[in-house]
Amino acid sequence: SQELEQSPQSLIVQEGKNLTINCTSSKTLYGLYWYKQKYGEGLIFLMMLQKGGEEKSHEKITAKLDEKKQQSSLHITASQPSHAGIYLCGADKTDSWGKLQFGAGTQVVVTP
Amino acid sequence: SAVISQKPSRDICQRGTSLTIQCQVDSQVTMMFWYRQQPGQSLTLIATANQGSEATYESGFVIDKFPISRPNLTFSTLTVSNMSPEDSSIYLCSVGVRGLEQYFGPGTRLTVT
Repeated sequence: SQELEQSPQSLIVQEGKNLTINCTSSKTLYGLYWYKQKYGEGLIFLMMLQKGGEEKSHEKITAKLDEKKQQSSLHITASQPSHAGIYLCGADKTDSWGKLQFGAGTQVVVTP
Repeated sequence: SAVISQKPSRDICQRGTSLTIQCQVDSQVTMMFWYRQQPGQSLTLIATANQGSEATYESGFVIDKFPISRPNLTFSTLTVSNMSPEDSSIYLCSVGVRGLEQYFGPGTRLTVT
């Protein structure tokens, strides 16, 4: 089965600083999703990437999928307290669209 | 996008009882899924809720423990049967449109005592 490794496991960033989260797979990613989760709540959809080399941005968040489609990164520019939470990457299982396998998550803390 | 609601939002149940969780979507969707998130863990797919046929379960999950219904294209239920403390988790439904985004409901936080 496909394993998704997220790094770092957690990070503390000062408000206004940038941060990057990585998501790596041992197999080709057919669909890569980024979500944000506040503690104990549902998942907020951020972005979905499908094509090698694809890059998407929304407000201060940018996600990229490398050409080999085995690694994705999520970059937040000039972090704000609202960016705090757990960030999860998910990927379609190779044999079935829509069934997602998730990484362990990255907890982001933004300090004043 | 899709707006998804779940009921109940949280519940505390006794060991040995069952709880049915409802998932309602504001538009017709082909694919609906149920996930579990155990404390401190990431999400694990339980099953695909198929409209008009039996749900498809992932390895480690069985119909007797997690019966699922999907009577139409906007609604599904997940029942957690004969609960034990190990079933304490957040249960989330998700919907997807082929080739596009997948959205998650707000989750149901279940505590089994």
